[in-house]
Amino acid sequence: ETGVTQTPRHLVMGMTNKKSLKCEQHLGHNAMYWYKQSAKKPLELMFVYSLEERVENNSVPSRFSPECPNSSHLFLHLHTLQPEDSALYLCASSQDRAGVGDEQFFGPGTRLTVL
Amino acid sequence: AQTVTQSQPEMSVQEAETVTLSCTYDTSESNYYLFWYKQPPSRQMILVIRQEAYKQQNATENRFSVNFQKAAKSFSLKISDSQLGDTAMYFCAFIPYSGAGSYQLTFGKGTKLSVIP
Repeated sequence: ETGVTQTPRHLVMGMTNKKSLKCEQHLGHNAMYWYKQSAKKPLELMFVYSLEERVENNSVPSRFSPECPNSSHLFLHLHTLQPEDSALYLCASSQDRAGVGDEQFFGPGTRLTVL
Repeated sequence: AQTVTQSQPEMSVQEAETVTLSCTYDTSESNYYLFWYKQPPSRQMILVIRQEAYKQQNATENRFSVNFQKAAKSFSLKISDSQLGDTAMYFCAFIPYSGAGSYQLTFGKGTKLSVIP
């Protein structure tokens, strides 16, 4: 596997379920990100981890819980979601910060549907 | 707070023609980075081109070039000799240089470009 991979690619869950999204990067990068992509809205940054430490947390509801066990893996744990949480969830990684011009490499996303 | 505006939700272009996608942004910062990302249908988002604000010269990458007008806070993307594989959503993004929150890109809503055979 190369680049940034995400599993599963599609997920349908009920409002009472607990599930997890997984992201893995094979690029040796130091930073990893979770974004939410909804139709007709800009990408919303949810969380950023740098060297396994959370550095950004944009007022995301507690029903989303990130975990970064090492610099190559990032999880998003989901629990008691709402229908409005249905979206494409993108994982990305970068060597360093976008604020020094670093490119973010994106995964293919997980299409989440909450019933 | 920074904002990024892409005023064209959808555009189309004939194959082999040239098309320009618009992006404007609002910031009080003097140095920053601007990016164009491309998201093809059902495929991963990739970087098309980036520009550092203190560099006067417009960035180019093969058929892709930008027209960066710092005073006007405009950062348009020109695609020359359009190809079917250029069909995608295009996102403009902004970040201040290396300050607090320098992991957080601000994205526009995107422009859906269709290349017509």
